Amino acid sequence: AQKITQTQPGMFVQEKEAVTLDCTYDTSDQSYGLFWYKQPSSGEMIFLIYQGSYDEQNATEGRYSLNFQKARKSANLVISASQLGDSAMYFCAMREGGGAAGNKLTFGGGTRVLVKP
Amino acid sequence: KAGVTQTPRYLIKTRGQQVTLSCSPISGHRSVSWYQQTPGQGLQFLFEYFSETQRNKGNFPGRFSGRQFSNSRSEMNVSTLELGDSALYLCASSPYTGTSETDTQYFGPGTRLTVL
Repeated sequence: AQKITQTQPGMFVQEKEAVTLDCTYDTSDQSYGLFWYKQPSSGEMIFLIYQGSYDEQNATEGRYSLNFQKARKSANLVISASQLGDSAMYFCAMREGGGAAGNKLTFGGGTRVLVKP
Repeated sequence: KAGVTQTPRYLIKTRGQQVTLSCSPISGHRSVSWYQQTPGQGLQFLFEYFSETQRNKGNFPGRFSGRQFSNSRSEMNVSTLELGDSALYLCASSPYTGTSETDTQYFGPGTRLTVL
């Protein structure tokens, strides 16, 4: 079974509007972390936001917020006030286990976002 | 602080050759991970090094290997290249504070390998 599922392969969004990117995950671990990365056409993965499994509040970083619903195992990314520079691939990723498990990220298939002027 | 650097950025090899990719982590970061990105398989974890020891390994054949030096710089090697090894290879570093919940990986620009 897929550990990270991003069901939207691509989407258009109007400049200045908000967009929600879906991410569902599957794990039996109690301790895990969820990450969102942005990958422009240049290829570099840019870290956007992080949510820990024990965090009670949704994470926010500037225009990015994470809608974390633990019981539903979803961690949707919300980008507010979209800008042309937000056009990119967006990846949801998960790290399972505690400190001893190390730094292995499992990625979803990604969502391509195109912001229209 | 300088980001993660990877060299070379682009590489063209032929089948059967071997290749070595290099990654310099962010200063102070002790964990280095490698990922392969292809259109067909997406992003896949290769391995992670911490304090010169391989801590995690993904599901890749033994042709893929790596190492980490005492200054945390890391190299990965692919021997006997195959056409399917053509990919973007991404390196990521993290501080690994021991509190994994907040241990974020920061990626380099990647090395794009083409195997002919």
